[in-house]
Amino acid sequence: KAGVTQTPRYLIKTRGQQVTLSCSPISGHRSVSWYQQTPGQGLQFLFEYFSETQRNKGNFPGRFSGRQFSNSRSEMNVSTLELGDSALYLCASSLGASHSGNTIYFGEGSWLTVV
Amino acid sequence: QQQVKQSPQSLIVQKGGISIINCAYENTAFDYFPWYQQFPGKGPALLIAIRPDVSEKKEGRFTISFNKSAKQFSLHIMDSQPGDSATYFCAASSTGTASKLTFGTGTRLQVTL
Repeated sequence: KAGVTQTPRYLIKTRGQQVTLSCSPISGHRSVSWYQQTPGQGLQFLFEYFSETQRNKGNFPGRFSGRQFSNSRSEMNVSTLELGDSALYLCASSLGASHSGNTIYFGEGSWLTVV
Repeated sequence: QQQVKQSPQSLIVQKGGISIINCAYENTAFDYFPWYQQFPGKGPALLIAIRPDVSEKKEGRFTISFNKSAKQFSLHIMDSQPGDSATYFCAASSTGTASKLTFGTGTRLQVTL
C-alpha cells in the first residue's frame, strides 16, 4: 500500500511569488492535514480537510490556503511568499478525522526555500 | 491552553542506556497522546500512543508513562540503540469537531556507541 505522496519534494521560490504543493493520501484515507515544520517552531498545524471540507484551521495568515478534491487528494497554496515561509511542509492522512485519535501518516514533505 | 511543552530539547545517551523525554500539557480536554519519531529527510511516524484511562503503555523497548493529575506524560526508551537516534515529538489532541493534533517542539536524541 503506497504511503502519503507529496510533490514537489524540493522547490525554491522568490519572495512575492506563490506556490502550490500537492498531497496524495493513502488509498482509502479521507482526512488530509497539513503542517509546517521549522527548526524554531516545530510542527505547526495549518489545516485539515475531510471529505472536501475544511474541518479545522491553524493560526496562519490568509496567504495559506488549501483544498481537497473528491479523490481525497489535497493541495495547499501559499501566496505572496515571505522569507519566513521557508520550511518543510508536511502532509498527513488518516482514515477518519485526526481529532478522533486516528493514526495519522505523514508524507516525506515538501522543502520550500524562499529567497 | 493548546500548548504542549516538551523537554529536553536534545539528549545524548550511551548505547544500552535509558532515554527519557518528558511532555506537559495544560488542556484537560486532551484525551489522546501519541509520540512520533522522525529521521532526517523523513516525515514523522507514529511510535506509540496512549489514552488517559491507563497510566502506562509498553511496546517493545518503548514505554509511555502518563500522569493525569500532573498533566504530564513521558517516553522511555529502554536499551537505547544507535538506530534510535532521531527527533521525537510528543503530541496531544482532544475529541471534538474543532480539535487538532498539537505537537511538542521535539527532542533530538543521539545514541552513542
